[in-house]
Amino acid sequence: AQKITQTQPGMFVQEKEAVTLDCTYDTSDPSYGLFWYKQPSSGEMIFLIYQGSYDQQNATEGRYSLNFQKARKSANLVISASQLGDSAMYFCAMRERWGYQKVTFGTGTKLQVIP
Amino acid sequence: EAQVTQNPRYLITVTGKKLTVTCSQNMNHEYMSWYRQDPGLGLRQIYYSMNVEVTDKGDVPEGYKVSRKEKRNFPLILESPSPNQTSLYFCASSLQLRTNTEAFFGQGTRLTVV
Repeated sequence: AQKITQTQPGMFVQEKEAVTLDCTYDTSDPSYGLFWYKQPSSGEMIFLIYQGSYDQQNATEGRYSLNFQKARKSANLVISASQLGDSAMYFCAMRERWGYQKVTFGTGTKLQVIP
Repeated sequence: EAQVTQNPRYLITVTGKKLTVTCSQNMNHEYMSWYRQDPGLGLRQIYYSMNVEVTDKGDVPEGYKVSRKEKRNFPLILESPSPNQTSLYFCASSLQLRTNTEAFFGQGTRLTVV
């Protein structure tokens, strides 16, 4: 079973608009962490934001926020005021307390910001 | 500066010629792992290590070997590379037993096997 599902292979957004990248996950571990990474065309993996399974509030980091809906097992990334530099691949990932701390990644969403 | 360093960044090799991709971290992290990234498949874990001399298979270990003789280093060995191992490889490290710590990634190694 897919543990992390990103159903949007590619998305377009107009510059300065907000965009939501979807991520659903599957786990029976009550303790887990959810992460989003950005991978620009240069290839490096850049950590964006983290949400813990016990966190009461949605995580925010500058223009990035995580819409965490635990009952629905979703952890969508919201980017506000998109910039051209936001064009990249975005990966959702999960780390469970069980399973030897393995980090499982989704297949990614390619975001393109249009001027 | 906290970092994970992989070498080489780019490598083109021929089928069957043994190669090693090095990975080193300076953050005293216990947990290290190797991933390969292929289009449409995201990142898949090859091997991981929870500490020195402790390694285990990830999701796609076939054709790879690793070792963890020192805490900071976690090399990936391809004994007899084949074209289906052409991929982008990442090494990552993180603190052990902490779900709330991100994985720090190396810059990636783009491997082509011809």
